[in-house]
Amino acid sequence: DAEITQSPRHKITETGRQVTLACHQTWNHNNMFWYRQDLGHGLRLIHYSYGVHDTNKGEVSDGYSVSRSNTEDLPLTLESAASSQTSVYFCASSDLTGGFGETQYFGPGTRLLVL
Amino acid sequence: EDQVTQSPEALRLQEGESSSLNCSYTVSGLRGLFWYRQDPGKGPEFLFTLYSAGEEKEKERLKATLTKKESFLHITAPKPEDSATYLCAVQVNFNKFYFGSGTKLNVKP
Repeated sequence: DAEITQSPRHKITETGRQVTLACHQTWNHNNMFWYRQDLGHGLRLIHYSYGVHDTNKGEVSDGYSVSRSNTEDLPLTLESAASSQTSVYFCASSDLTGGFGETQYFGPGTRLLVL
Repeated sequence: EDQVTQSPEALRLQEGESSSLNCSYTVSGLRGLFWYRQDPGKGPEFLFTLYSAGEEKEKERLKATLTKKESFLHITAPKPEDSATYLCAVQVNFNKFYFGSGTKLNVKP
């Protein structure tokens, strides 16, 4: 069965360190997204990609970067981790439908704690 | 400003007690409204997509409806296993998805 996986599931790091969160999907979807989920805020879009070598900034992109070298993977990098980046991170993917009703399928999440 | 608001924030029901969750939105150019279920420690699980006012979709005890300003998720005769957080999201463009904060539903036996 097709799926989307994230690793690690839990991560503790220190302020200032670089951290990379992995996302891998076997749906063969063109679109991939990274969100963060915080209490009281709902899911907020960090970065997204509509295909290989395509990356775009979302609503809360400062301090994060992504790169897309193949269809299956979209790693999220925190360049210099800050305590404000403590959150639960979700990766999602969707098929290209011309911008209408693009149902997103989510991974299980990575819980990140920045000390 | 595009906005999605869900109410109530939390809802407690007795098993079998039907109710509705609300998702109101103010966006320009709705391309799709989505309902997700999220269990603790897990990612959101897709339930429904609605495209236009008047549309309805059903799945087991859940029914989603859409008007021009809001969507309802009706839960008929809920069971304890329906306990979860229900998220609403809207797509307004190729790259704009807005999620509500969710309604946490607790169904007691």
